[in-house]
Amino acid sequence: SQKIEQNSEALNIQEGKTATLTCNYTNYSPAYLQWYRQDPGRGPVFLLLIRENEKEKRKERLKVTFDTTLKQSLFHITASQPADSATYLCAPYSSASKIIFGSGTRLSIRP
Amino acid sequence: SQTIHQWPATLVQPVGSPLSLECTVEGTSNPNLYWYRQAAGRGLQLLFYSVGIGQISSEVPQNLSASRPQDRQFILSSKKLLLSDSGFYLCAWRYKRGGDEQYFGPGTRLTVT
Repeated sequence: SQKIEQNSEALNIQEGKTATLTCNYTNYSPAYLQWYRQDPGRGPVFLLLIRENEKEKRKERLKVTFDTTLKQSLFHITASQPADSATYLCAPYSSASKIIFGSGTRLSIRP
Repeated sequence: SQTIHQWPATLVQPVGSPLSLECTVEGTSNPNLYWYRQAAGRGLQLLFYSVGIGQISSEVPQNLSASRPQDRQFILSSKKLLLSDSGFYLCAWRYKRGGDEQYFGPGTRLTVT
């Protein structure tokens, strides 16, 4: 069955450093991969989408890579700030109808 | 602009009682609609999705059901709640064309006692 794995342990980063989150998937070949941010008690908010023919995508301090050979996406936040503290979810998908999320990685940026 | 509404925001129900959660979308037509559940400290679990009126796909066999009586209305129901049904229920929508993000509602916090 399709499986999505994200670091289950929280990631603690010093402010100003680069945070790197990992998303691995197995048993399918997604055409797209999305990253979302979720704050406590709120619904996820879309951040970035990367397509299978794109190696890298950037948006301000965010960067996403997509390696279809390794079946992995990396999500980077450069110059991290305490306001970046949240849970980050990845969602690789190939069906336009059905979207499944990883369990998320909780990121904590300490001042 | 598009907006998505969910109600109620919070709900406390006893075990064995029925459930009805409602989600409506404004500002778009014929969206794909989704119900997710998030247990405390866990990820999002896809429960149901719908590509049109009356069309429901179930992802997890359980005591929940979903219906889409109107284009922009999605309802999650249960005849008898279990303790394990407690969680944060999120409704989401997206455009049908591929590659677009999902837009989530504010969620309903359900506690089954």
